[in-house]
Amino acid sequence: QQQVKQSPQSLIVQKGGISIINCAYENTAFDYFPWYQQFPGKGPALLIAIRPDVSEKKEGRFTISFNKSAKQFSLHIMDSQPGDSATYFCAASADTGTASKLTFGTGTRLQVTL
Amino acid sequence: NAGVMQNPRHLVRRRGQEARLRCSPMKGHSHVYWYRQLPEEGLKFMVYLQKENIIDESGMPKERFSAEFPKEGPSILRIQQVVRGDSAAYFCASSPTGLGGPQHFGDGTRLSIL
Repeated sequence: QQQVKQSPQSLIVQKGGISIINCAYENTAFDYFPWYQQFPGKGPALLIAIRPDVSEKKEGRFTISFNKSAKQFSLHIMDSQPGDSATYFCAASADTGTASKLTFGTGTRLQVTL
Repeated sequence: NAGVMQNPRHLVRRRGQEARLRCSPMKGHSHVYWYRQLPEEGLKFMVYLQKENIIDESGMPKERFSAEFPKEGPSILRIQQVVRGDSAAYFCASSPTGLGGPQHFGDGTRLSIL
């Protein structure tokens, strides 16, 4: 029940295209859903996050879509650039002190080609 | 640099030795989380600490692993009698609150066991 399932495992997108990464969760107590970007040799960097009271959040070229009834959320990267090539992780946590640990998906390796 | 600082960045130990990993949270953050990342996998929660208290250690192996976050100084993750399976990247994250808000990660310690 604590899992977050992420797909696809890897993704190749042409420059200027849209990258879409999907995640699904089971635990209905989750109420905070961040996406992290990780480059080789670096720690995960927070990209964008959403709470279930909204269905969509946009920051620049990055958009999270959230479907509470389906327990799914996705990351859309518009106008994908070679510099976006990285591994992306979705995560989830519950808004209680002892349960605020993040549960991560298994990651999507994105490659943006010229 | 106001980010989460981890050291050392790389640590090599022989089987049976002890490993000590340090994490200094962002300024003003009193909540620290440790995660472990195996190659090609997502991050797995290990332990959540506040100053002088362990809040959640549900992800910590029962033996050989311990963590502390003293009143003064960095948080320490200690692994005694290391084995080859302990080889991984260990990441620390910090947060200003423990209520499911943003966690900011350091660049990790890569632990290699010979």
